Amino acid sequence: DVKVTQSSRYLVKRTGEKVFLECVQDMDHENMFWYRQDPGLGLRLIYFSYDVKMKEKGDIPEGYSVSREKKERFSLILESASTNQTSMYLCASRLPLTGETQYFGPGTRLLVL
Amino acid sequence: DQQVKQNSPSLSVQEGRISILNCDYTNSMFDYFLWYKKYPAEGPTFLISISSIKDKNEDGRFTVFLNKSAKHLSLHIVPSQPGDSAVYFCAASAKNYGQNFVFGPGTRLSVLP
Repeated sequence: DVKVTQSSRYLVKRTGEKVFLECVQDMDHENMFWYRQDPGLGLRLIYFSYDVKMKEKGDIPEGYSVSREKKERFSLILESASTNQTSMYLCASRLPLTGETQYFGPGTRLLVL
Repeated sequence: DQQVKQNSPSLSVQEGRISILNCDYTNSMFDYFLWYKKYPAEGPTFLISISSIKDKNEDGRFTVFLNKSAKHLSLHIVPSQPGDSAVYFCAASAKNYGQNFVFGPGTRLSVLP
């Protein structure tokens, strides 16, 4: 059974703080993804990674960066948190190039004050 | 402009009846479609998928129909159960989009006992 875990379920941060969101998967998946979920907008892709050290911008990368130093771990970084980054953040992983389903973590609800 | 649309933000259905959730897409290159279900405070979980070479896929109480000419797909749940109450996301992918998924905004289904 695939397991994707995220380091925090809830986070409260101040504007301007640097925020790290960690994601770990245990199924040796090459591909990993970060989304944010907002009401009425669904899931929007922030960044993704096809393999270690690789990263690609998604649809809304502004204000975010990522790090993939190990295959099982994909980190999302908010360099200077802003209130419009208050959202639910979801990490996902999958096997590459199969078109098959992604497996999601439980999400991190981030509140930026 | 959203490439994947779910025009009904919410839907209420009586237990035992059929639930029909609709999804429209604009990109004719999409060739693989999925439905995810999401409970509050949990990540989305894969429900059912369909390839563009088919027009129907069935899995137990869940059936997805694809009408390529209308760029429309629908998810039928029969019979609906209270445990089906969740947010349902439609997603689409295309080989020329690196097979990353584009998600719709979601429909909140409430199944009333």
